[in-house]
Amino acid sequence: EVQLVQSGAEVKKPGESLKISCKGSGYSFTSYWIGWVRQMPGKGLEWMGIIYPGDSDTRYSPSFQGQVTISADKSISTAYLQWSSLKASDTAMYYCARHFVKSGGENWFDPWGQGTLVTVSS
Amino acid sequence: SSELTQDPAVSVALGQTVRITCQGDSLRSYYASWYQQKPGQAPVLVIYGKNNRPSGIPDRFSGSSSGNTASLTITGAQAEDEADYYCNSRDSSGNDYVFGTGTKVTVL
Repeated sequence: EVQLVQSGAEVKKPGESLKISCKGSGYSFTSYWIGWVRQMPGKGLEWMGIIYPGDSDTRYSPSFQGQVTISADKSISTAYLQWSSLKASDTAMYYCARHFVKSGGENWFDPWGQGTLVTVSS
Repeated sequence: SSELTQDPAVSVALGQTVRITCQGDSLRSYYASWYQQKPGQAPVLVIYGKNNRPSGIPDRFSGSSSGNTASLTITGAQAEDEADYYCNSRDSSGNDYVFGTGTKVTVL
């Protein structure tokens, strides 16, 4: 069974750093893109960026470029999302998902991790 | 702001048909994928590509596209279909990806 399992909920203070994880299993981790998606409380889904664990090629949404860092360790089939200095506005649920891109204009995310809730509060 | 626009909310009577639309310039060149999200749960893929359903998704879900509009149709809506639905595709530059604004579906 293809699965993405994310790290647990985090409570942090503004200015602190954080790295959350997403571990893949049941498939060749290095052969598929992994995407990160933010969902702020009561709001919609926002695409943050993607990484190809095979060669660490990374793309960021302009909205998140410079705000977060996406990385991966293919030796342990794990992708990461990290912040160097959290803000209260980073409070959200963060999801990872395997990202398919096909020629002909198709792309989709499946499956999704269970989500990691990040709360930033003083 | 999202480059894929959806109606905020639609309602449908139990057993009837509802169509959810997603509008954006990029949809003239790229397919949309569709996701169902129930409260407190992660999104689930329901339609991708021209009109493909992942294993386990009921055949009452179908997708279509015309011009700058992609549509998700639920034929014979069930109570368990009550959820938020999001489309996803490339952005207008074709370089990045974007989610639609989301549609809340209520089954009456």
